[in-house]
Amino acid sequence: SQQGEEDPQALSIQEGENATMNCSYKTSINNLQWYRQNSGRGLVHLILIRSNEREKHSGRLRVTLDTSKKSSSLLITASRAADTASYFCATEANTGGFKTIFGAGTRLFVKA
Amino acid sequence: GAVVSQHPSRVICKSGTSVKIECRSLDFQATTMFWYRQFPKQSLMLMATSNEGSKATYEQGVEKDKFLINHASLTLSTLTVASAHPEDSSFYICSAADPAYTDTQYFGPGTRLTVL
Repeated sequence: SQQGEEDPQALSIQEGENATMNCSYKTSINNLQWYRQNSGRGLVHLILIRSNEREKHSGRLRVTLDTSKKSSSLLITASRAADTASYFCATEANTGGFKTIFGAGTRLFVKA
Repeated sequence: GAVVSQHPSRVICKSGTSVKIECRSLDFQATTMFWYRQFPKQSLMLMATSNEGSKATYEQGVEKDKFLINHASLTLSTLTVASAHPEDSSFYICSAADPAYTDTQYFGPGTRLTVL
């Protein structure tokens, strides 16, 4: 069963604007990861944030994690048309077994 | 970064045939591999977890006799869709990990299966 829920399901913005995607999950986790997927392609790992971390940056990406609210956000600053893709959060549950469950995903469309 | 390959990248077959998909970790030993399926415009659904040398653990609702998983070596796992039907058409993605060293999974590029 899916653990993560993401919102919005779809997001359309102009190039140069910031894009924020949110993810909520249900159980305790070891870490949360964000992935990107271009249409019909494989996944690209963007960033991993551990349960004892609150914020992480990587280039134009900023990820936050609030374990008390069981939620995370991905911020893409100064978006580009090439950022158009689906973005998924994925959680590794704190139940052992190294199992990762994906959220429903946000489809981001950046207009040039 | 670590590389995981899948073969074939795309397969079209007739209903009733069996299809085998390979997942290989190219530059590391993957003690654990995962198989996911993804329907159009949907998320990845975990099908099963396979550990090298042991039987795969299937998620609820996934038929183990339909989706046969073999993880005979530290670099290769195979998924065989037995007697495929049109409803099995989907994008199948594998990932590989070595939990002893990292908590990152490395994903393959996916296999598009179309059953006519």
